[in-house]
Amino acid sequence: DIVMTQTPLSSPVTLGQPASISCRSSQSLVHSDGNTYLSWLQQRPGQPPRLLIYKISNRFSGVPDRFSGSGAGTDFTLKISRVEAEDVGVYYCMQATQFPSWTFGQGTKVEIK
Amino acid sequence: QVTLKESGPVLVKPTETLTLTCTVSGFSLSNARMGVSWIRQPPGKALEWLAHIFSNDEKSYSTSLKSRLTISKDTSKSQVVLTMTNMDPVDTATYYCARILRWGFLEWLPDYWGQGTLVTVSS
Repeated sequence: DIVMTQTPLSSPVTLGQPASISCRSSQSLVHSDGNTYLSWLQQRPGQPPRLLIYKISNRFSGVPDRFSGSGAGTDFTLKISRVEAEDVGVYYCMQATQFPSWTFGQGTKVEIK
Repeated sequence: QVTLKESGPVLVKPTETLTLTCTVSGFSLSNARMGVSWIRQPPGKALEWLAHIFSNDEKSYSTSLKSRLTISKDTSKSQVVLTMTNMDPVDTATYYCARILRWGFLEWLPDYWGQGTLVTVSS
């Protein structure tokens, strides 16, 4: 199974400042079809996860444009351009290149300083 | 409006079998572009995918838990059922069901989630 490793595990951020989360996979996530099936999910406190980004950099429906994804191969990044109070929560990367198997990172907690 | 709701026991004993039901509304389990997945989350820990079921009744399971899991659906009742045998305290977790939507030829995205149900395994 592919192992997903996120850093940092915790990210205290000042409101209005940027935040960045890294995710590294134990093997390349490039599928034989040429796509890279790496997603990011947000889990606010007490809530179920919510899909933010798919295929590295595509924002899902309704996701604000302050969220962006980038990366290739085994290294990926989620950036929040200006953190708002509603962005507090835990963020997970998820690989679906080995679909039907999904694996998640350990999560990164974004909190306000 | 798409909704999913998990139901099942709050407490199970070690070695017992857990049965969870996901009742969906706002979409049909016979829709070829949609399926349902189960994902769990131990308290304070990360998400773990368990199983998928698709409209054609195709099923997929986590490799590590495959021997203990069974997923099934009743389209007429709009329900997906997950059973997990031989429960252990390490299986204590919030269990979520999610709709997965076929977004591309090979891509299925979890676009709607239930609120989850916390299952505690203890004697």
